[in-house]
Amino acid sequence: SQKIEQNSEALNIQEGKTATLTCNYTNYSPAYLQWYRQDPGRGPVFLLLIRENEKEKRKERLKVTFDTTLKQSLFHITASQPADSATYLCALDRGTGGFKTIFGAGTRLFVKA
Amino acid sequence: DGGITQSPKYLFRKEGQNVTLSCEQNLNHDAMYWYRQDPGQGLRLIYYSQIVNDFQKGDIAEGYSVSREKKESFPLTVTSAQKNPTAFYLCATHRGGLSGYTFGSGTRLTVV
Repeated sequence: SQKIEQNSEALNIQEGKTATLTCNYTNYSPAYLQWYRQDPGRGPVFLLLIRENEKEKRKERLKVTFDTTLKQSLFHITASQPADSATYLCALDRGTGGFKTIFGAGTRLFVKA
Repeated sequence: DGGITQSPKYLFRKEGQNVTLSCEQNLNHDAMYWYRQDPGQGLRLIYYSQIVNDFQKGDIAEGYSVSREKKESFPLTVTSAQKNPTAFYLCATHRGGLSGYTFGSGTRLTVV
């Protein structure tokens, strides 16, 4: 069956360092991949989308890579800040329209001052 | 400000009751979705609607019902047939094409 895996253990890093979160998938051929931020008790907020033919995407301090051979995406936050502390979800889509999306359970990030 | 309004934020349901969660959007998006979030699990799709007066079952539709009479509104009813309804419910819209979802702030439903 289709599966998305994100590290269930929380990631703790020091302020100013780069946080790297991993999203692995199996039995799936996504057309594109998305990353979301979710704060406790709130809905997810869309951050970035990367297509299968793109290797890397950047937005301010955020960088996403997508390796369809390894079936993996890496999400990087450079110069991390305590305000970056949240849960980060990855989501895979087979096509456009939004109804073929599979979400991961998320990885909790704590950035210490 | 354009966005999605979910209400109530917290809802308590007694055994055997039906309850309705509200979702209203002013983004003018055609597609609307209901997801359920449980601890340690990814979001799971309950129902979705791509156009007014039409909706489709998602992966876990049993025990739930929806309607889409207006573009702006997509209410979700949790019926007594849903045996484990305690969860965080998220409404979302999608503008189509290559884009992400816009989510509401969620409703936390608890069975008492």
